[in-house]
This record gives sequence, structure tokens and C-alpha cells, in this order.
Amino acid sequence: GQQLNQSPQSMFIQEGEDVSMNCTSSSIFNTWLWYKQDPGEGPVLLIALYKAGELTSNGRLTAQFGITRKDSFLNISASIPSDVGIYFCAGRRGYKYIFGTGTRLKVLA
Amino acid sequence: SAVISQKPSRDICQRGTSLTIQCQVDSQVTMMFWYRQQPGQSLTLIATANQGSEATYESGFVIDKFPISRPNLTFSTLTVSNMSPEDSSIYLCSVEQGNEQFFGPGTRLTVL
Repeated sequence: GQQLNQSPQSMFIQEGEDVSMNCTSSSIFNTWLWYKQDPGEGPVLLIALYKAGELTSNGRLTAQFGITRKDSFLNISASIPSDVGIYFCAGRRGYKYIFGTGTRLKVLA
Repeated sequence: SAVISQKPSRDICQRGTSLTIQCQVDSQVTMMFWYRQQPGQSLTLIATANQGSEATYESGFVIDKFPISRPNLTFSTLTVSNMSPEDSSIYLCSVEQGNEQFFGPGTRLTVL
């Protein structure tokens, strides 16, 4: 099935650094969701975006709904070791959610 | 947000057998979804289950292989039938509440 492209695919960063990742699609969505998945667990919802251009924060996380409705961005400020995991974007079309390929984040203490 | 539990959390099964995964939600929800996550991969939607109607399957997934039940608004089951090693994956159920989707902890299936 269709998947959204996320970049980078993986990244190693030092603790305290800021992180940016993005999610792109060839078609538009009316909702974007960002999830974090820890090993052996289900994805946990971090941020939901509902309008083009919307910028929403959740603690050290900030996400934006792209103006074109074909992309979204997630930033993590001042990363800490527990930020390690896989981050997925998901776009909603109708009643279905299509998931991105994931960004694997590793934080070096 | 909805609290979702799944049983079993993991299982190791023999080729050719079937496994039924249960999903329980702490509140009534209209739509429940079943996903597969193969090792190191993203999530792929298997089917959407509404109470009182047949599940809607995505391309590449069929009812004979993945029969689904949805007897009420808080419960669903997914059966993985006639398993082969290629069915080794994490199976996740999810629900939608208020334009947001929430996931259960997943069932990790290994087929030998």
C-alpha cells in the first residue's frame, strides 16, 4: 500500500541537540499525526495537526502541517536519551491513516 | 484517550496453525483497525472493522487469511490463519477517537 516518505531514515545525535525530521507525500491530507514507537510497544500519539500551516507544540516537540498539505515536520529540541525510538508520521485521508516509513532516532549521551 | 489492550502480547506458533488475537477497548468506539508491522518496517493497514458489518480489507489482505470479528463496540478479534514464517510480524489494533488514532501494545507473532 501507499506509504509516506520520511527523512532522514535514521539519525544519531548528541544529547542536547535539536532534531528535525519531515514527512512528504505526493497527495494531500487533511490531518497529520506524529507518533513515537519504543521497542516492543505500540505507537504513542505525540501531536495531531488539523489545518494547513498549523504549528503545534507538546513540550520539547513542535510539529507543523505544511502549507501545501502534502508534508509535515517534527522538531525535537534539546534531545535527551529517552527520545530514542522510531518516529512515524501518519496522514489521514477519509477514515484511513497512511503511515510514513519512519525515522529511527538514536541519542548519544 | 482510549486505553487498548491486546492478547496475547506475543506468541510463537507452528507453520500451518492459526492464532486469534483479541483487542479490548475501555470505551465504545465505532471504528477499529488492524495493522501489521513487519520487522523493521512501518505499519500497514490490514482491515477496518465496524460493529455489525463485514470488515473492509485493504489490497493484499483477504478474509480467508485474516478473518475479523467485531461483536460489539469495545472488542474485536483478528485471526491469522494457516500461518507461514512470512506472517511473523507485530499485529496492532487501533481505534479512532476525535480524529485521532490510538494503538494497542501489539501482539508479536513468530511463526516457525
